Amino acid sequence: KAGVTQTPRYLIKTRGQQVTLSCSPISGHRSVSWYQQTPGQGLQFLFEYFSETQRNKGNFPGRFSGRQFSNSRSEMNVSTLELGDSALYLCASSAQGVGEKLFFGSGTQLSVL
Amino acid sequence: KQEVTQIPAALSVPEGENLVLNCSFTDSAIYNLQWFRQDPGKGLTSLLLIQSSQREQTSGRLNASLDKSSGRSTLYIAASQPGDSATYLCAVSRETADGLTFGKGTHLIIQP
Repeated sequence: KAGVTQTPRYLIKTRGQQVTLSCSPISGHRSVSWYQQTPGQGLQFLFEYFSETQRNKGNFPGRFSGRQFSNSRSEMNVSTLELGDSALYLCASSAQGVGEKLFFGSGTQLSVL
Repeated sequence: KQEVTQIPAALSVPEGENLVLNCSFTDSAIYNLQWFRQDPGKGLTSLLLIQSSQREQTSGRLNASLDKSSGRSTLYIAASQPGDSATYLCAVSRETADGLTFGKGTHLIIQP
């Protein structure tokens, strides 16, 4: 089975722009969750999608949004980028979500200049 | 608010030693606890998952224990190898499924 695939691997944007990151889960997995990793704050939960519905959301501003398609692929969008949004964005998939082993992608490294 | 602390933040030991990584959490109402490893510039790999009703889990040279009432977990690595060098993270989940809460990790270096 192919693992979790995230694209692109690296992104450079400037303040004020918006960005869209993509995540393809393991085949058959219906839950996709997103995490932000920074040196200062560590890993923080953004949101989780299951069967095209946002099931849970972390404590991030509304500039961070996401969606999930019928094939379980997910995208996250960050609008009006700020310098502090520079981070490694990781997505993880599992069959059902809650309480299961998570499989992570390699992440998208976003740099905001 | 759940907080997860990992001690030590960094550890360097010679190859072959047995070692223990510690994780503590403030809210004992957890659903499960997972240990992950992260290699530089990479995503996370799940090592062990312990349900709240379990006391320990083992996989090869790794053994993780959970004491839910005291809010502690340990990851024991036997006969360490240079390939074990990575950052080890523990994370807890709640039944309400609001995502995992991670510790900041222990950066482990195994010297050949």
